Amino acid sequence: EDQVTQSPEALRLQEGESSSLNCSYTVSGLRGLFWYRQDPGKGPEFLFTLYSAGEEKEKERLKATLTKKESFLHITAPKPEDSATYLCAVQAGTGFQKLVFGTGTRLLVSP
Amino acid sequence: DAEITQSPRHKITETGRQVTLACHQTWNHNNMFWYRQDLGHGLRLIHYSYGVQDTNKGEVSDGYSVSRSNTEDLPLTLESAASSQTSVYFCASSESAGFGTDTQYFGPGTRLTVL
Repeated sequence: EDQVTQSPEALRLQEGESSSLNCSYTVSGLRGLFWYRQDPGKGPEFLFTLYSAGEEKEKERLKATLTKKESFLHITAPKPEDSATYLCAVQAGTGFQKLVFGTGTRLLVSP
Repeated sequence: DAEITQSPRHKITETGRQVTLACHQTWNHNNMFWYRQDLGHGLRLIHYSYGVQDTNKGEVSDGYSVSRSNTEDLPLTLESAASSQTSVYFCASSESAGFGTDTQYFGPGTRLTVL
């Protein structure tokens, strides 16, 4: 069974304090790994898609990396507006576009 | 701008009633999905559709149904609402026909409470 585990569940940072969020996965044939940001009361907002081990993508203060077993979302010099829940999801196997989601990491960045 | 909308945004209903949640997208995407989000479970797939007249069950489909009569809409119906169906429901859509790897874009969600 495909599984996605995110850690930590919650993370509190001071503004400017860089850190990383982890997404470990067990899937049969990874087709894509997705990162989303979710603000309270809103739907998930797409950030990145990674397709193969060694791939990296960046957007502003965020950088996503992928290995054969896990993905990291690095946050460099975060600002309070980066506070949100970050969701990881994988698409695996064949047949259709099912996403399996982790439970997310709640990030709070204090001024 | 193209978008995906859900209505209502909040709904309170009673056990046993039929409830329909609306999802409308203006991207002309082929694929549409319904998820529910609960604490400790993350997002779980309820039903999905690859196009008009196509519907498929996801991992938590019991008690839910969908129908796809046009490209833009995928309404989700709870046939007889139960307290276990209290949740936040998200609709999503993606472009590719068939089995490609494609980004899913989410609506703002509907918070449903079943009393």
